Amino acid sequence: DGGITQSPKYLFRKEGQNVTLSCEQNLNHDAMYWYRQDPGQGLRLIYYSQIVNDFQKGDIAEGYSVSREKKESFPLTVTSAQKNPTAFYLCASTPRGDRGSGANVLTFGAGSRLTVL
Amino acid sequence: SQKIEQNSEALNIQEGKTATLTCNYTNYSPAYLQWYRQDPGRGPVFLLLIRENEKEKRKERLKVTFDTTLKQSLFHITASQPADSATYLCALMNYGGSQGNLIFGKGTKLSVKP
Repeated sequence: DGGITQSPKYLFRKEGQNVTLSCEQNLNHDAMYWYRQDPGQGLRLIYYSQIVNDFQKGDIAEGYSVSREKKESFPLTVTSAQKNPTAFYLCASTPRGDRGSGANVLTFGAGSRLTVL
Repeated sequence: SQKIEQNSEALNIQEGKTATLTCNYTNYSPAYLQWYRQDPGRGPVFLLLIRENEKEKRKERLKVTFDTTLKQSLFHITASQPADSATYLCALMNYGGSQGNLIFGKGTKLSVKP
């Protein structure tokens, strides 16, 4: 079945550590996204990538980094510079990346919950 | 300032009734609006999309309306069932925006009681 796989489902981090969240898709989608979800807040965009080897900052990119070396993969690193990293992280993809040329529907993974100890 | 608001954090209804969820926006010119369902500990799942030139869309027991004059979208679930209990998110795309600019509301948690 096609979809998005996020791992790990749960992750604990000590302060000062970098951690990497994995996101893999087999939908042959061009664009991939990382969102952060906190209780009582809407989804906030961290980074997105419309094509391999290219990515753009979203609204809350500080303290995070990404790479897009393969079409299928878009890992997110939460660095020690992120002061409040405890959250639910969601990876998503759309068939294409474009600027207002059509309606893209997001397919989401199951999420990764990061807790800082 | 730009805002997208889902007026109710939580909505409790009786099984069999129609649930109506509201999404209001301020200072946006949406090209389209989407509704997603999210179950606890899971990623959102796409339900319906409605464009700014459409008044209404239906899918089985679901109906979405879009009123650009009122700057509001309504999401209806008819003959609601306990299995419809979830959080429902609205999201809009502004004209000229990239997909990276999809703006999400905070969600409304719907509970359908037997």
